[in-house]
This record gives sequence, structure tokens and C-alpha cells, in this order.
Amino acid sequence: KAGVTQTPRYLIKTRGQQVTLSCSPISGHRSVSWYQQTPGQGLQFLFEYFSETQRNKGNFPGRFSGRQFSNSRSEMNVSTLELGDSALYLCASSLAPGSNEKLFFGSGTQLSVL
Amino acid sequence: GQSLEQPSEVTAVEGAIVQINCTYQTSGFYGLSWYQQHDGGAPTFLSYNALDGLEETGRFSSFLSRSDSYGYLLLQELQMKDSASYFCAVYPSGNTPLVFGKGTRLSVIA
Repeated sequence: KAGVTQTPRYLIKTRGQQVTLSCSPISGHRSVSWYQQTPGQGLQFLFEYFSETQRNKGNFPGRFSGRQFSNSRSEMNVSTLELGDSALYLCASSLAPGSNEKLFFGSGTQLSVL
Repeated sequence: GQSLEQPSEVTAVEGAIVQINCTYQTSGFYGLSWYQQHDGGAPTFLSYNALDGLEETGRFSSFLSRSDSYGYLLLQELQMKDSASYFCAVYPSGNTPLVFGKGTRLSVIA
């Protein structure tokens, strides 16, 4: 069974641009969560989606948005990029909400904003 | 809200035993999880404690004490490949997502 796939693996953007990151969950998993990871800050929760509906949103500005498609694939978008948005963006999937005790993570997208 | 505290760095010798502690403040939660992340890699699930006590999975064990708001991950027979970051995470009650600690970087030395 294929794992969680995130594309692209690396991205370099400049301030003010926007970016879209993609995540394909494990087959059969319908819940997708996104986390931002920066050195020394752990994993900060961004969003959680299930059945194309956003169930939770973390404490991030409105420049961060996301969506989930009918095939459970998810995308997140960051508009008007800032230097502080440089981070590793991780996607995780689980069978459904309520099985969050065990998340399966992708390798992430490393975003660098110059 | 929830907050978790764990040491930022731990160093241990190959073949030894190391314990990584996690203390938390939370209003209520279903359980405590542990994840391992190698540099440049994805976090991978290690263990989950829903109940107080010790859960053992091979060389790794995890412990939870709700009365003490405390848990730990125990790694035995340390190997060089265990050098990684380890995160504890609480699964809060209600419709809320997993909350992670800031991670403990374990360095295993010869």
C-alpha cells in the first residue's frame, strides 16, 4: 500500500508569491491534516479535512487555506508569501476523524521563501 | 488548551537505555502518542497510550500516568539509527486535532 504522497518535495518562492501544495493520502484514508514544522517549534496544526469539509483550523492567518477533493486528495494554498512562511509542510492521513491517535505522514514539502 | 513539554536534546551511548519525558497540561484527552522523525524524513508513529501504564513494542516502550500528567518513551539497546527527533502528542477530547510537543533530539554516540 502506497504511503502519503506530497508534491512537490521542494519549493523556492519569493515574497508576495503564492504557492499550492498537494497531498495524496493512503488509499482508503479519508481524513487529511496539515502541519507546519519549523526548527525547534515542533508541528503546528494548520487544517483538518474529512469528506471535503474542513473540520478544524489552526491559529494561522487567512493567507493559509486548503481544500479536500472527493477522492480525499488535499491541497493547501499560501498566498502573499512572507519570509516567515519558510518551513516544512507536512500532510498526514488517517482512516477517519477519531483515529487521530495514529497519523501517517508524508515526507513533506520544504518551502523556502526568499 | 493543551501544552506539552519535553527536553530539547538528549545524548546517550550506543547500547544504553534512554528515557524521554513528556509532561503535559490539558483539559482532557484520549491518549498520548509518540512519533519518530529522522532528519529529512516523515514523522512515523511509534506508540499510543490510551490507558495508564506501560506499552511495549520491541525495544521501545511508552508509559502514561494521567494522575501525574506525565508520560515517557523508553528506548532500550540504543542503536545509532535511533538518532532522531521524538515527539509526544496528545489526542484531545472533543473535535480537536492532535497536539504535538516541540520534540526531543536524541543523539546516540559510540
